This record gives sequence, C-alpha cells and structure tokens, in this order.
Amino acid sequence: EAQVTQNPRYLITVTGKKLTVTCSQNMNHEYMSWYRQDPGLGLRQIYYSMNVEVTDKGDVPEGYKVSRKEKRNFPLILESPSPNQTSLYFCASKTSGHERYEQYFGPGTRLTVT
Amino acid sequence: GQSLEQPSEVTAVEGAIVQINCTYQTSGFYGLSWYQQHDGGAPTFLSYNALDGLEETGRFSSFLSRSDSYGYLLLQELQMKDSASYFCAEISGTYKYIFGTGTRLKVLA
Repeated sequence: EAQVTQNPRYLITVTGKKLTVTCSQNMNHEYMSWYRQDPGLGLRQIYYSMNVEVTDKGDVPEGYKVSRKEKRNFPLILESPSPNQTSLYFCASKTSGHERYEQYFGPGTRLTVT
Repeated sequence: GQSLEQPSEVTAVEGAIVQINCTYQTSGFYGLSWYQQHDGGAPTFLSYNALDGLEETGRFSSFLSRSDSYGYLLLQELQMKDSASYFCAEISGTYKYIFGTGTRLKVLA
C-alpha cells in the first residue's frame, strides 16, 4: 500500500530534550516536506526537500533541522524543543515536477513539550 | 508576509452547493491546490489549478483567476461526509507551499 508513515504518532517530552520524528514514504517520491498545524493558523511549512541531499527552508524553520540522506526518509529533528513547538506535525511527499501536484500526507505526530 | 485568505466557517444543508473562496498575495505564484481534512485526520488532496479556469473532479470543482489572485472550491450535492476543513494552498515556482488557515464546512441534514 502506498503510504507515508510517521513515528511516533504521539510524544510528550520536556524542554531541551532532543527528539527526532521519523518520516518514510514508499512511493519513490522525490519531494518531501514537513508541516506543523496549530489551531487558527492552518498548516505551515517547516522544511522541504526536492531530492536526496537537497533541503530548503519553509516559512517556519526556526528550531528545527532536517536531513535527506535517503530518498524514502526525511526525519525532523528538534535539538532543543521548547513549549512553543507543541503542535501537530505532518510529513508529506509528492513526485517532482509541477505536473504532479498531489501531496500525500502522513497520519500526523502530536507533540507536546512541557 | 505571504498569506492566503479564506472564510473561517461555512454552513450549508445536504444537497446544496457551496463555494469556498481563497485570495492570495504572493509573488512567484505557480498554482493553487485544495485539500480536505476531517477532524483527527490528515489532509487529502482534492484539486489543483495552474491555469485560469475551472477544473472539475466529480462533485468538486476548483477555479482560478490569476489576474484577480483569486480561486474557489465548489462543492455540489453536499453530503454529510463533506463536513470537514478545507484548505487552499499556494505553490511557488520553487516548490514552497503556503496554506490558508482553512474553512470549516458544516453540512446540516
């Protein structure tokens, strides 16, 4: 089954404790992206990657890191989480090129930082 | 900064037609997408416009006017299962996405 998976689905952590949220897709997509969703603010793009070893900042990259060492994986790293990073996080992927525009989203990771 | 404007909430009855508008103000605009999100779920793709005009996909249609920086999603023959949040999303030429804050659609029996 074609899908985007994220782990963990739920995480409660404390301020300053480094964490990684994994994202993996099995559709051989070149493009992957991370979003955060907060009430009243919609989805905001954190980072995106056009292909392996190519990443770029979205609208809200502060406090986050990403890496794209393999095509299928795009982990999101919070090196020193803070309470304002409490949010619902979505990973998404799509094929490259503007002719293919549909993003496929993972199920989401709900993160709470206390 | 960059932003897309959508109504926060729309209510309609089953069987009706509803239009959700979206205005954008960004340079480097390439296309406009629409996504549906049910409570507790992930966004799912509905439609995309890169050129002016109407794109139809079953009960859903989407329209774009580049000259007006405006688009809309049209939902026909509303069903209860269409109750969800709908987001417009702007795609730039560099593949950056900007989402609107979403429109919550309530379908009444």
